[in-house]
Amino acid sequence: EPEVTQTPSHQVTQMGQEVILRCVPISNHLYFYWYRQILGQKVEFLVSFYNNEISEKSEIFDDQFSVERPDGSNFTLKIRSTKLEDSAMYFCASREVANYGYTFGSGTRLTVV
Amino acid sequence: RKEVEQDPGPFNVPEGATVAFNCTYSNSASQSFFWYRQDCRKEPKLLMSVYSSGNEDGRFTAQLNRASQYISLLIRDSKLSDSATYLCVVLQGAQKLVFGQGTRLTINP
Repeated sequence: EPEVTQTPSHQVTQMGQEVILRCVPISNHLYFYWYRQILGQKVEFLVSFYNNEISEKSEIFDDQFSVERPDGSNFTLKIRSTKLEDSAMYFCASREVANYGYTFGSGTRLTVV
Repeated sequence: RKEVEQDPGPFNVPEGATVAFNCTYSNSASQSFFWYRQDCRKEPKLLMSVYSSGNEDGRFTAQLNRASQYISLLIRDSKLSDSATYLCVVLQGAQKLVFGQGTRLTINP
């Protein structure tokens, strides 16, 4: 079964540092997403991406966040200057254009210290 | 009112029991609904979509009541492997999944 792959599985970073979370969506999928889940809380939408541009973003996705599809296979989430409250599990997801079946990656646990 | 609201549980039931989860959503324009399951520290995985006419997949039955903005999931003959957190999810617009807090279920031997 096709998978969404995320790396690294766990990232520890110091407050104020930049981090890049990486995702390889399923190859024939055209819509890409980032969600996050703070420990003990619900899964929250961050951003959707289609046709090389952001199609929707949440209030959480402020100027510190950016997304990119640099090479046609990878999909990255960058946090420019991490804060303690950015500590969370970050999930990448993708879907085909024709249906609403999202596939989530296994997540990157980001710990900001 | 929360966008998607669920009873957080936890539900502790014996193996073989029937268990039901409920969920309400606030946006009456929502068109697509799902149940996902999430194991501890893992990604959400799609359990089933929820259709207006109700739908069944093996031991799992989902129901939707648009008038009440209410979604349910019934699990029959529960197995130990059903222990997980069950997430009620609503598609808002064309892109954005809105998740409930989740209901934690533990099946006891």
